[in-house]
Parts: sequence; structure tokens; C-alpha cells
Amino acid sequence: DIQMTQSPASLSASLGETVSIECLASEDIYNNLAWYQQKPGKSPQLLIYYASNLQDGVPSRFSGSGSGTQYSLKINSLESEDAATYFCLQDSEYPWTFGGGTKLELK
Amino acid sequence: EVQLVESGGGLVQPGRSLKLSCVVSGFNFSYYGMYWIRQAPGKGLEWVAYISSGCSYIYYAETVKGRFTISRDNAKNTLYLQMTSLRSEDTALYYCARQGDGSGVMDAWGQGASVTVSS
Repeated sequence: DIQMTQSPASLSASLGETVSIECLASEDIYNNLAWYQQKPGKSPQLLIYYASNLQDGVPSRFSGSGSGTQYSLKINSLESEDAATYFCLQDSEYPWTFGGGTKLELK
Repeated sequence: EVQLVESGGGLVQPGRSLKLSCVVSGFNFSYYGMYWIRQAPGKGLEWVAYISSGCSYIYYAETVKGRFTISRDNAKNTLYLQMTSLRSEDTALYYCARQGDGSGVMDAWGQGASVTVSS
């Protein structure tokens, strides 16, 4: 199975700041990488698919990049509503696997 | 409006069975692949199973293979997860989700059904 190592596990940032979250795959996943946001008590919401494609309705301050085994999610100009846990997902091969999650706290 | 509503969760003893359902509305269910994903309390997400629109392709996580069965009834707009030989480690919130036709990944999720396996 492909292992997804996500970092950092937690992150604290201020409103207006820019943050990045990383995911490292155990092998090349050919850009088959998605990012999800999950708020407490809610279902995950798709942000980015195929490494850099913004899902409809997602604010443009979210962006994704990467290739091969290394991928990142960048959030520009943090807003209070961005406080959540973020997960990466590799959909290159079954079984699909998620990263461990990054909890983003707003100061 | 796209909606997915899970049901059938509950408290069950180890070794017993449980069947989850996910009724969908707001989209043409028969055209979409579907997933089950679970989340243990306070933990991350675990992909559990996938079924294609016409049931030609079915995949399972190793942790549930041979114990869980994913199925669907396109006439009833319903996805199922039959769970047998349940273990304490199967305790989780179980989400059903739709495979996005553009993204290929889960683009709509239900609110989840809670399953607790305990004696």
C-alpha cells in the first residue's frame, strides 16, 4: 500500500498569514492527490484534486502543487473559517490512503 | 441539492453483523461510483470500499476484506455496506461518498453513521 506522510500534524497561524501543508507519498503517485478540509463535527469537503485543480466553489486562496512523491497545500491570507483539519488522499492506486491530517488553529 | 444520508449504525457486540445504508438524492445515482470511508473517534480518515456505477469494479481495504461487502441498488438510489465479524477496531463513523465525475475522488459526503463495536 502507498503510505502518505503528512506534516505538520498541527499548525498555529494568525489571520492573514500564509501556511503550507505537505504530503509525502511512499512512491510516485503521478499527481493523483486530493486535499480535504474537515471542520469539527462535519464531513470532509473536497478542496483540491489531481494535485492542483481547485474544486468548484472553493476559495482561490487555496492552492495545491507538487509532483512525484511530494505535494503541498497552500492557504493564502488565512481567514477564521479556515480553522479545520486538512487531509491529503492518494487516489493513484487502491487501496486509497489518507495522510494523518493537519490541524490548523487560528491564533 | 446533492444529499447522502446514512443509516443503520448502532452498538453491536464483537463478532456480530450490521448493515449500513446510504440513500442519495439530487443526482443520478446510477451514473456514479460510490465509496465508504470511516473515521475512528478522534482519528483520521480510512478508505474502506469502492463500487463502480455498474458494480463491475469493487475494491476493499485489507482491514475489511472478507468481512465487509459493498453493494448498491440503483433502482432504490441506495448504497449498502454489510459488515460481518465486527471487531472493536471497526468502531467508527462511517461515511458514504460519491465519486466526482470530474475529480474522480469523493466530492460529496453524507453526515456519517456511527458504529460502536463493544461487549
